[in-house]
Amino acid sequence: GENVEQHPSTLSVQEGDSAVIKCTYSDSASNYFPWYKQELGKRPQLIIDIRSNVGEKKDQRIAVTLNKTAKHFSLHITETQPEDSAVYFCAARRSGGADGLTFGKGTHLIIQP
Amino acid sequence: NAGVTQTPKFRVLKTGQSMTLLCAQDMNHEYMYWYRQDPGMGLRLIHYSVGEGTTAKGEVPDGYNVSRLKKQNFLLGLESAAPSQTSVYFCASSYSGGAGNQPQHFGDGTRLSIL
Repeated sequence: GENVEQHPSTLSVQEGDSAVIKCTYSDSASNYFPWYKQELGKRPQLIIDIRSNVGEKKDQRIAVTLNKTAKHFSLHITETQPEDSAVYFCAARRSGGADGLTFGKGTHLIIQP
Repeated sequence: NAGVTQTPKFRVLKTGQSMTLLCAQDMNHEYMYWYRQDPGMGLRLIHYSVGEGTTAKGEVPDGYNVSRLKKQNFLLGLESAAPSQTSVYFCASSYSGGAGNQPQHFGDGTRLSIL
């Protein structure tokens, strides 16, 4: 089955700096890669996703890049703000769409004032 | 529009007791999922359903059963609860159509403690 590795487990950055979280996956049949943000005690919320026919996608301060050859994808957050502090999860799903997501173990992003 | 609703929000059980977690969605989604979240483990898929009357096993199905008698509801059952099933349980649903994979929408979770 699919295996998703996520790094780092904790990331501390100064407010206003950029943050990058990286994930690798094992199943070459995976073609959907969402990123979720989870605040303490809350549900995971989708912040951005990318499909394998696209190499990069941006939404304001957030961008995701995908390298299918290397089987890795990354989340980039620019101009970080205190409200960006949360746990971020990457995930992958195989072609077809019915299977559930395979999640990474999460990155705790801390924004230092 | 409530989205995905899970009941109960919290529950404490004794080892060996049984219970059912309910997930209801009002988005007319075909696909529904149950995940568990443990500290440092991310979310792991327990069971899922691609439509009314269908279920399938995920990554960690042992000790759980599910049913999808109505399209909008997906039930997760614990027949004989064990301390290892202490976790936060999330339900999710997604649309099946479109050009490819569709986003999953999550409920608020059920925090379950087994003593």
